[in-house]
Amino acid sequence: EAGVAQSPRYKIIEKRQSVAFWCNPISGHATLYWYQQILGQGPKLLIQFQNNGVVDDSQLPKDRFSAERLKGVDSTLKIQPAKLEDSAVYLCASSLGLSQETQYFGPGTRLLVL
Amino acid sequence: AQSVTQLDSQVPVFEEAPVELRCNYSSSVSVYLFWYVQYPNQGLQLLLKYLSGSTLVESINGFEAEFNKSQTSFHLRKPSVHISDTAEYFCAAGYLQGAQKLVFGQGTRLTINP
Repeated sequence: EAGVAQSPRYKIIEKRQSVAFWCNPISGHATLYWYQQILGQGPKLLIQFQNNGVVDDSQLPKDRFSAERLKGVDSTLKIQPAKLEDSAVYLCASSLGLSQETQYFGPGTRLLVL
Repeated sequence: AQSVTQLDSQVPVFEEAPVELRCNYSSSVSVYLFWYVQYPNQGLQLLLKYLSGSTLVESINGFEAEFNKSQTSFHLRKPSVHISDTAEYFCAAGYLQGAQKLVFGQGTRLTINP
């Protein structure tokens, strides 16, 4: 079974530029998550989708971050414009459903904002 | 707000020695607990989880964790570690509030010395 795929693996941009990350979850997984992991910290949930609907985006900085999952499968996370403090690893995870389900993580995209 | 605290940011031990990684969570009526492991340059992988039933859960590679409701803890233990156990370990709690929300601790870096 293929795991969660993410691209790109690494990205370096200058502040005020925009960037987009892509995630393809495990086939059949209805729930998709985006996490931000700052160096030295645990992952923090940014947004959670159930199929193509948003379940929780309470910690997403909506003035600069956006995410979509139009067809209920793959998803993109965008930052526009980026700030220095956005430097982090962005992790995508998926699970079968919402309750008690194990979340499976992709390898992450490491973003460096200069 | 729900929170997870990992009491040690780094734990160095010698090979074949026992180890305990500590985790405490904020109390809730419904909580599910997980330990994830992150090897260098890889995504998070589930190590073990507690959903209900027996309070002692085990992984296939010799780790175990015990759910202690009275102390709101879920410490991870292994009686004899190997070099290959060198990684970062994250404790996470799943809280049911509408949908499951996973809250991570800040991680414990386990370093095994020969």
